[in-house]
Formats: sequence, C-alpha cells, structure tokens
Amino acid sequence: SAVISQKPSRDICQRGTSLTIQCQVDSQVTMMFWYRQQPGQSLTLIATANQGSEATYESGFVIDKFPISRPNLTFSTLTVSNMSPEDSSIYLCSVADGGNQPQHFGDGTRLSIL
Amino acid sequence: DQQVKQNSPSLSVQEGRISILNCDYTNSMFDYFLWYKKYPAEGPTFLISISSIKDKNEDGRFTVFLNKSAKHLSLHIVPSQPGDSAVYFCAASPYGANSKLTFGKGITLSVRP
Repeated sequence: SAVISQKPSRDICQRGTSLTIQCQVDSQVTMMFWYRQQPGQSLTLIATANQGSEATYESGFVIDKFPISRPNLTFSTLTVSNMSPEDSSIYLCSVADGGNQPQHFGDGTRLSIL
Repeated sequence: DQQVKQNSPSLSVQEGRISILNCDYTNSMFDYFLWYKKYPAEGPTFLISISSIKDKNEDGRFTVFLNKSAKHLSLHIVPSQPGDSAVYFCAASPYGANSKLTFGKGITLSVRP
C-alpha cells in the first residue's frame, strides 16, 4: 500500500491562529480524504480533497474554517483556521486508489489549542 | 445520530483465546464494512473488510461476520496474541471501500499474556 507522510506530527497552537497540515503520498492516488478525531470520539470525515477543484465538504464543515488544497495526485493540505480549543483533535489524511481498495491512513497530526 | 455503534468500549482476553468484537449499524444503505486497528500515536491500519453480498470473510486469524438482517457485524480473532492489543474501529460505507467512511468509536482490546 501507499506510504503516507503527514506533517507536522503534532503541534501546540495559540487561539486565533491557523495551521496547515500536509499529506504527501509516495504514489499517485485517486482519492484523498481528511478526517478528524476529537478526544474520545470516532473518526469523522471533514472533506474529500479533489484534484484540481474545490474539496467536497461534509455536513458541519465549511471551506472558510477548513480550506483544503490538492494540487496533484500525491499531495494535499488541510488548514485549520482561526483555531479555538474545540479544534483540539487528531487530524488524519487517508488515501484510496479506486476499485474497492480500502482507505489507508497517515499517522495523523495531534493538534492542541491553548 | 451515531450510525455505526461499538457499544463495548473495551475487551480483555487471555492470550490464545478468541476475541470477538461487535459492531452495529443503523443505515440500511451501507454496503461495505471494514475493520481498522490502531496503535497509540499511529494512524488506523486496515485489517479486513466485507461486502454486503457476503456473510463471512476470512484472512488468517481474522474473520468478519456480517448479519444484514440484524445490521450487525463482528470481528473474530483466533487465537488472540498480545500484539493484537490495540483499538479496533468498525467502519461502513454506502459506496464501497474508497468513498466516505462512517466510523464507530472503537473498542480497546487487551490481550493478557
């Protein structure tokens, strides 16, 4: 399966600031997704990152808060904007390559907001 | 509204015995189900999956059973090993494995030596 690198692995940020998380894959993939796992909760899909077009957001998530880029088939970024303590979560990138292949996940970014 | 439920937060099993992890779902549109294993500070790792056209899928020590009428699936691990100690997530999708996944909250499995 593809090797997925997420950066940074963790960060502590001040309220009101923004952080951009990078997801790099070692091969071209069809699908890229961004998930969030809040403390004690399940993984929740934020959006599907579409190559060359705007991301597709799930209910409850908006582009102004979580802008996403996907300039090519191996790279995507998620920005968490104007952060508040409620944004303290693990953010995970996943990839899939068509057919019925399962999604594979990066190790996540552990974000704490002070 | 939690569409995928893992009602037991934890399970402890003796090494060599069977581990049975349960998962229930409410959305009849789900047609593909997956199990992921997660170690601390790592991302979820795909374990095994099953399509709704099957009722059983086996891969080595891991078997997943699907009961569509009951909207229930279970993961059996036989025999359990200490290295299996991890959090196990059940996930479901209405459009196959590489579309939106809905996850349960996970079950922490501890396998005692």
